[in-house]
Amino acid sequence: AQSVSQHNHHVILSEAASLELGCNYSYGGTVNLFWYVQYPGQHLQLLLKYFSGDPLVKGIKGFEAEFIKSKFSFNLRKPSVQWSDTAEYFCAVKRGGADGLTFGKGTHLIIQP
Amino acid sequence: GAGVSQSPSNKVTEKGKDVELRCDPISGHTALYWYRQSLGQGLEFLIYFQGNSAPDKSGLPSDRFSAERTGGSVSTLTIQRTQQEDSAVYLCASSPGGGTYNEQFFGPGTRLTVL
Repeated sequence: AQSVSQHNHHVILSEAASLELGCNYSYGGTVNLFWYVQYPGQHLQLLLKYFSGDPLVKGIKGFEAEFIKSKFSFNLRKPSVQWSDTAEYFCAVKRGGADGLTFGKGTHLIIQP
Repeated sequence: GAGVSQSPSNKVTEKGKDVELRCDPISGHTALYWYRQSLGQGLEFLIYFQGNSAPDKSGLPSDRFSAERTGGSVSTLTIQRTQQEDSAVYLCASSPGGGTYNEQFFGPGTRLTVL
């Protein structure tokens, strides 16, 4: 069975700091990769996705992620975080067919003003 | 336009009772997914519908769980004889199709508490 690992469960940063959240997956075949965000009191929203092509993908709100196939990784980055980025971040993997998304455990990000 | 809606938003029930959770997908979306979000297990995939059929039910935690979808739209997740470990947020998502390249849009969830 495939699994998704997020290395940090809790991250605390100051505003303007750079962010990198790690994500590794175990499935060896073709996968589609996603980062979702859940702001306090809100539902899951898609930040960005990778299906094919350029391994560096850009999402909303200045986020980007890089797919490194040899490392089975899809790390999320943002050069300068804001207080409003405080949220729970989830990495997810999907194969084709009838599978749903396999999520990591999530990273709780707190940005201190 | 309207997103995925779920009802009720909160449900408190007693152990042993049956509950029904409802999901209204985005209009025109043929694929529908149910997930469960709990503290111990994180986000787990439960079941997927393409139209009215569910090709794979193996993600359902036990035979107390069942789901149906009628008219290619609304879906109901039913939990019979609820147990305390069923307490979680149940999320529904829909997408334009069930294929690989479709983004899933999530609803706000139903928070189920089993006393």
